[in-house]
Amino acid sequence: DAGVIQSPRHEVTEMGQEVTLRCKPISGHNSLFWYRQTMMRGLELLIYFNNNVPIDDSGMPEDRFSAKMPNASFSTLKIQPSEPRDSAVYFCASSPPGGGREKLFFGSGTQLSVL
Amino acid sequence: QKEVEQNSGPLSVPEGAIASLNCTYSDRGSQSFFWYRQYSGKSPELIMSIYSNGDKEDGRFTAQLNKASQYVSLLIRDSQPSDSATYLCAVNTRGSYIPTFGRGTSLIVHP
Repeated sequence: DAGVIQSPRHEVTEMGQEVTLRCKPISGHNSLFWYRQTMMRGLELLIYFNNNVPIDDSGMPEDRFSAKMPNASFSTLKIQPSEPRDSAVYFCASSPPGGGREKLFFGSGTQLSVL
Repeated sequence: QKEVEQNSGPLSVPEGAIASLNCTYSDRGSQSFFWYRQYSGKSPELIMSIYSNGDKEDGRFTAQLNKASQYVSLLIRDSQPSDSATYLCAVNTRGSYIPTFGRGTSLIVHP
């Protein structure tokens, strides 16, 4: 299995630009999480999907952030407009149904730098 | 607010020693507890899970849970330089499948 696939690995953009991060979960997994990691705040949950439906988006910072999961094999996290304080590593993670749904498998992350 | 606290470290131990990593949590309703390992520049990887009070052993790793005192720990026996990483504690409350992560403890195992 290829694991959770995220793209791009690195993104450098200028303040005000739109940024789109992409994630392909592990086949058969029906839970998907977007996390953001910074030195100051650690790993923070942004949004959690189950069976393609957003269940908890309380961690989405503000209206500039949006996430979609149009099908079981693809999700996007969009930031528009981006700001320097959005600079962080963004991780996508997925988990299987049933008893293993609490065990997360992480993608390699996207290192976002907003100048 | 659910909180998971870890000492940021770094914790430095010599090769072959026992490394002890600790985590406390605030929500008494927490039911599932996990340890993730994160190498520098890499993503977190699940290494241990524990659900009941007591010890759970897996190879050189032992997870310990004490719900009354609201702490969970990870012991690494015969520490190796390859164990040098940041260890993240994660906690799920009852009925939730969303883990809350601590900020991690940096472990350095020196030869």
